[in-house]
Amino acid sequence: SQTIHQWPATLVQPVGSPLSLECTVEGTSNPNLYWYRQAAGRGLQLLFYSVGIGQISSEVPQNLSASRPQDRQFILSSKKLLLSDSGFYLCAWRIRVNSSPLHFGNGTRLTVT
Amino acid sequence: SQELEQSPQSLIVQEGKNLTINCTSSKTLYGLYWYKQKYGEGLIFLMMLQKGGEEKSHEKITAKLDEKKQQSSLHITASQPSHAGIYLCGADNTDKLIFGTGTRLQVFP
Repeated sequence: SQTIHQWPATLVQPVGSPLSLECTVEGTSNPNLYWYRQAAGRGLQLLFYSVGIGQISSEVPQNLSASRPQDRQFILSSKKLLLSDSGFYLCAWRIRVNSSPLHFGNGTRLTVT
Repeated sequence: SQELEQSPQSLIVQEGKNLTINCTSSKTLYGLYWYKQKYGEGLIFLMMLQKGGEEKSHEKITAKLDEKKQQSSLHITASQPSHAGIYLCGADNTDKLIFGTGTRLQVFP
């Protein structure tokens, strides 16, 4: 069966420090991968998605970047964190067919101080 | 761009009561998903609807997609404390999945 791992679960970082959040998927090949951010405990904002190694689509211009160095690995990064980067970050995957559900990781709670 | 609006934003019901959450899209829905989230956790997939008029059920939760494929409803029968959480609808948009703003459900004894 497929599983998704996302870490760390919580992170407290000072303003101006770098960020690296990692997400890996097991049990499937060639998944589509996604990073979302959730603020105020409500709706999800799509940040980045990837349909293949090295292929990254950015949805919202901001202080973050994403990379996909391997088929089942998706990394969210920042060189210098801002206070506004605080939030709940969720990684997700789905198989590459039309109309298939996303499967989410447990999320990372990031607090920038 | 496509937008999903959910109503109500929050709901407080007594255990045993029925409730309905709505999701309205600004464009035709080609794949509509319902998820549940407990605070501080990832989203759990509940159901997916694709065809106009389609209805699916899982335990005490039923979801419907209207004939015009622009609105979906999620109905919970005889609510329980375990149903509490945030319910989100999501819609296919090419390779992406966009989400509504969510409905926070509280169930009290």
